[in-house]
Amino acid sequence: QSVLTQPPSVSAAPGQKVTISCSGSTSNIGNNYVSWYQQLPGTAPKLLIFDNDKRPSWIPDRFSGSKSGTSATLGITGLQTGDEADYYCESWDSTLSVVVFGGGTKLTVL
Amino acid sequence: EVQLLESGGGLVQPGGSLRLSCAASGFTFSNYAMGWVRQSPGRGLEWVSGISGGGDATYYADSVKGRLTMSRDNSKNTLYLQMNSLRAEDTGKYYCARAQRGWFQSLFSYYFDYWGQGLLVTVSS
Repeated sequence: QSVLTQPPSVSAAPGQKVTISCSGSTSNIGNNYVSWYQQLPGTAPKLLIFDNDKRPSWIPDRFSGSKSGTSATLGITGLQTGDEADYYCESWDSTLSVVVFGGGTKLTVL
Repeated sequence: EVQLLESGGGLVQPGGSLRLSCAASGFTFSNYAMGWVRQSPGRGLEWVSGISGGGDATYYADSVKGRLTMSRDNSKNTLYLQMNSLRAEDTGKYYCARAQRGWFQSLFSYYFDYWGQGLLVTVSS
């Protein structure tokens, strides 16, 4: 069981918007930054969002992140079939002194 | 261009040992903390260990503490993971990753901006 909780799956149609939630506690999300990763089938994870809402230069602005209290949200607009992947949230846990990941959410673009 | 190239994976019997390596290029290796993250077949990501840029501080997940040892040789731009007393549950794909970490506005930031392609470790008799 993961320290950070994500829905196992979400789905939406091409062109639509989807959000993926990540719930934690004051030990992690509540008092530290959140990052998000995309893992396309058969590939290594890729950084999508860091420090709650910042995008690396190589990530399009269709991807966005936000945080409120002990939860974080990844948003993806203008869905494309190429966005079908597993998405993971991540944060530092101050109590455990470890990096913690969510269990992952599989995005299906119908 | 940042590159991380892992090597050393394979099949090992329970109780056996393996040493994983990760060769880094395209950045000043000693300036960055690094980490190992693994993924069991069909499962999610699990952080395994982390090390500071100078190699003087290491951190481990409880599940591997005492069995896995992370180290680095900054003169060779190489990261290592010595894996001893391996168990079936250690089976998975192991990724090395470059870490970015620091305090900003009283909050701690820790994330991985570049990842290797991963290598497979199988613990089985």
